[in-house]
Amino acid sequence: EAGVTQSPTHLIKTRGQQVTLRCSPISGHTSVYWYQQALGLGLQFLLWYDEGEERNRGNFPPRFSGRQFPNYSSELNVNALELEDSALYLCASQPRSYNSPLHFGNGTRLTVT
Amino acid sequence: AQSVTQPDIHITVSEGASLELRCNYSYGATPYLFWYVQSPGQGLQLLLKYFSGDTLVQGIKGFEAEFKRSQSSFNLRKPSVHWSDAAEYFCAVGAKGGSYIPTFGRGTSLIVHP
Repeated sequence: EAGVTQSPTHLIKTRGQQVTLRCSPISGHTSVYWYQQALGLGLQFLLWYDEGEERNRGNFPPRFSGRQFPNYSSELNVNALELEDSALYLCASQPRSYNSPLHFGNGTRLTVT
Repeated sequence: AQSVTQPDIHITVSEGASLELRCNYSYGATPYLFWYVQSPGQGLQLLLKYFSGDTLVQGIKGFEAEFKRSQSSFNLRKPSVHWSDAAEYFCAVGAKGGSYIPTFGRGTSLIVHP
C-alpha cells in the first residue's frame, strides 16, 4: 500500500511569491490534514479537508488556502510568502472513520528568502 | 479545547538505559491518545494509540504507553533504548466526534549516547 506522498520535497521561494504544495492520500482515505512544523514550534494545524470540503482551519491568515479534489488529493496554497513561512509542511490522511490515526507524508520543506 | 503538554524539550539517555517521555493532556472527556516518532527529514510515524480498554498500550519498536486518567497523562516508555531511537517524539490527543482535529505537543527530542 502506497503511503501519503507529498511534492515537491524541497522548495526555495522569495518573499512575496506564491507556492503550491501537493498531497496524495493513501488510497481509500477521504480526509486530508495540513500541518505546519516550524523550528521549535511543533505541529500547528492549518487545514482539514474531507469529502472535498474544508471542514476546519487553524489560526492562520487567509493567504493560506487549499482545496481537495474529487480523487481526495489536496493542494495547499500560500500567497504573499513571508520569511516566517519557512517550515516543513506536513500532509496527513485519514480514512472515513474519524477515530483512526493520521498517516503522514514526509513533508515539503519550504524555505523563503 | 484540547491541549497537550510535553514538559521535556530534550531528553538524553545512554544506550541500553530505560526511557520515559512525559505527556499530559487536557480534554473534557475520554480522549484518543497517540504517540508519533519523527526521524530527521521525515514525516511522523505512529508508534501506538489509545482509544479505550486496557490502559497499557503496546506499540511498535518495543515502546509502550500507559493512560492514567487521574493524572491526565499518557507517558511513553521503553525498557532499553537503542541508538536508532534517537528522534523527535510527539504526543497527540484527539476528540471523539465529527470535528476531530488532532492536537500535537511540541515534541521531545531524544538523544542517545553510546
